[in-house]
Amino acid sequence: EDQVTQSPEALRLQEGESSSLNCSYTVSGLRGLFWYRQDPGKGPEFLFTLYSAGEEKEKERLKATLTKKESFLHITAPKPEDSATYLCAGRASNDYKLSFGAGTTVTVRA
Amino acid sequence: DGGITQSPKYLFRKEGQNVTLSCEQNLNHDAMYWYRQDPGQGLRLIYYSQIVNDFQKGDIAEGYSVSREKKESFPLTVTSAQKNPTAFYLCASSTTGEYGYTFGSGTRLTVV
Repeated sequence: EDQVTQSPEALRLQEGESSSLNCSYTVSGLRGLFWYRQDPGKGPEFLFTLYSAGEEKEKERLKATLTKKESFLHITAPKPEDSATYLCAGRASNDYKLSFGAGTTVTVRA
Repeated sequence: DGGITQSPKYLFRKEGQNVTLSCEQNLNHDAMYWYRQDPGQGLRLIYYSQIVNDFQKGDIAEGYSVSREKKESFPLTVTSAQKNPTAFYLCASSTTGEYGYTFGSGTRLTVV
């Protein structure tokens, strides 16, 4: 069974304090590792897709990386507007469905 | 603008009542999905459809039903058999290629 596990569950940061979120996966023949951002009461918003180990993608203060067993979302010098829940999901090679982790809720204090 | 529209945003259900959540997309996506989100848990798949007039059960289909009569529409009915329906429901769509989902804005269902 495909599994995606995110840690930590919650992360409180001071503005400017860089940190990383972890996503561990066991997905059969991974055909994409996805990161989403979700604000309270809203639907998730797509951030990145990573396909192969060693791949990296960046968007503003966010950088996602992928290894054979994990993905990391690095937040560099975060601002209060980066406060959100970040979701990780994996797609298996023989499927269209995504398996989601429970998310990491990030709070950035000014 | 292309996107997914979920309605209503808030829905209240009485005990023993069936309710239907609407999901419409104009992205020309083939596949559509319904997920349930509870606090502290990941998104759990209820039903999905890869083509019109065909759909499959997800991990937590009991107490729910769907239809896919049009490519653009994938309504979800929460039946009285669903004993704990209070949750945030998310609809999503995707192409059948190497891409992720586009999500709607969600419907929050509360039992009163």
